[in-house]
Amino acid sequence: KQEVTQIPAALSVPEGENLVLNCSFTDSAIYNLQWFRQDPGKGLTSLLLIQSSQREQTSGRLNASLDKSSGRSTLYIAASQPGDSATYLCATRSGGSYIPTFGRGTSLIVHP
Amino acid sequence: GAGVSQTPSNKVTEKGKYVELRCDPISGHTALYWYRQSLGQGPEFLIYFQGTGAADDSGLPNDRFFAVRPEGSVSTLKIQRTERGDSAVYLCASSPGPLSSYNEQFFGPGTRLTVL
Repeated sequence: KQEVTQIPAALSVPEGENLVLNCSFTDSAIYNLQWFRQDPGKGLTSLLLIQSSQREQTSGRLNASLDKSSGRSTLYIAASQPGDSATYLCATRSGGSYIPTFGRGTSLIVHP
Repeated sequence: GAGVSQTPSNKVTEKGKYVELRCDPISGHTALYWYRQSLGQGPEFLIYFQGTGAADDSGLPNDRFFAVRPEGSVSTLKIQRTERGDSAVYLCASSPGPLSSYNEQFFGPGTRLTVL
């Protein structure tokens, strides 16, 4: 059974810092890995989808990398802003299953 | 519509009552997922529909929970004899097809259920 762990659970940083959020998974036979953002009281917004054959994806100030062999993905946020404050979740689906497994998320606060 | 919608946004009910939660997926999306999210946790899978049929309902916690998708579009999650432990945010997501390397999920805003 796939297990997804996100470290750290919470992070508070001053504006302008570059951040790395970590996601690890136990079953490396994944189809893809997706990073989401969740604002308080809201649903999930997809940020980046990395296919199993890819090593990274970029969107604006966000860059997500994937290392299947080590069971890890990282989300890099450049030049963080207060508007980046949210919970960031990763989810992946391992071979043979249509059901994604989510981590618990990293709660990020960027203060001015 | 442009995205996944869920109604109601908030539902407060009393222990023992019956509730229905509705999800309108993105038009044309054949796959639909229901999740439950408790505070500080990631979404927990409940049930997955491919078209009209429940392809996987292994996440439903017990027989008080049931979901339907009769025409392959709108889905309703039904909870009988609600308990305080059912309080959570119920999220719906849709996908163009079965999740693959290329298909991603799009989430609705959720329904916050509070059982008093």
